[in-house]
Amino acid sequence: DGGITQSPKYLFRKEGQNVTLSCEQNLNHDAMYWYRQDPGQGLRLIYYSQIVNDFQKGDIAEGYSVSREKKESFPLTVTSAQKNPTAFYLCASSIDSNSYNEQFFGPGTRLTVL
Amino acid sequence: RKEVEQDPGPFNVPEGATVAFNCTYSNSASQSFFWYRQDCRKEPKLLMSVYSSGNEDGRFTAQLNRASQYISLLIRDSKLSDSATYLCVVPHQAGTALIFGKGTTLSVSS
Repeated sequence: DGGITQSPKYLFRKEGQNVTLSCEQNLNHDAMYWYRQDPGQGLRLIYYSQIVNDFQKGDIAEGYSVSREKKESFPLTVTSAQKNPTAFYLCASSIDSNSYNEQFFGPGTRLTVL
Repeated sequence: RKEVEQDPGPFNVPEGATVAFNCTYSNSASQSFFWYRQDCRKEPKLLMSVYSSGNEDGRFTAQLNRASQYISLLIRDSKLSDSATYLCVVPHQAGTALIFGKGTTLSVSS
């Protein structure tokens, strides 16, 4: 089945630790995105990548880092510099970054920093 | 005007009711719009795309008013299973990403 997978579904970390969230897609999509969602809030764009080996900051990139070494993978690292990391993290992909294209989402990772 | 703004609701309606949500956007150059549905603690899923004046899919109708810069979503004959949060989505100014509204929550009761 084609789709986007994120792992793990739930993640607990101690304050001050870096953590990496996985996102893999087998849809052969060029563009991939990371969003953060807080309770009662909309999705906010953290980083996006239009093509392999390239990525851009979104609206709330501070405290996060990404890499795009392979087309199918776009991992997100939440660093200790992120002040409020507890949130629901969603990865998405689209055929390309043209705004006409639908984005497909993975099931998300709920990160709780204790 | 905010990039995208929605009435958060909640909208509480009985089964069979017709309900409409509005969404306003600021980027007058936007050409494509989307409505996504998000169930509690799940990922958003595309409900409808809107590229011209509107789109209809069964009980769901999306309309676009470019002059007033708003999009609406009409749900007819509401079902219990329609209970969810509906996200209005517009292109980012740079045209390479999407901006998601905070969502409108619908609760359909029997």
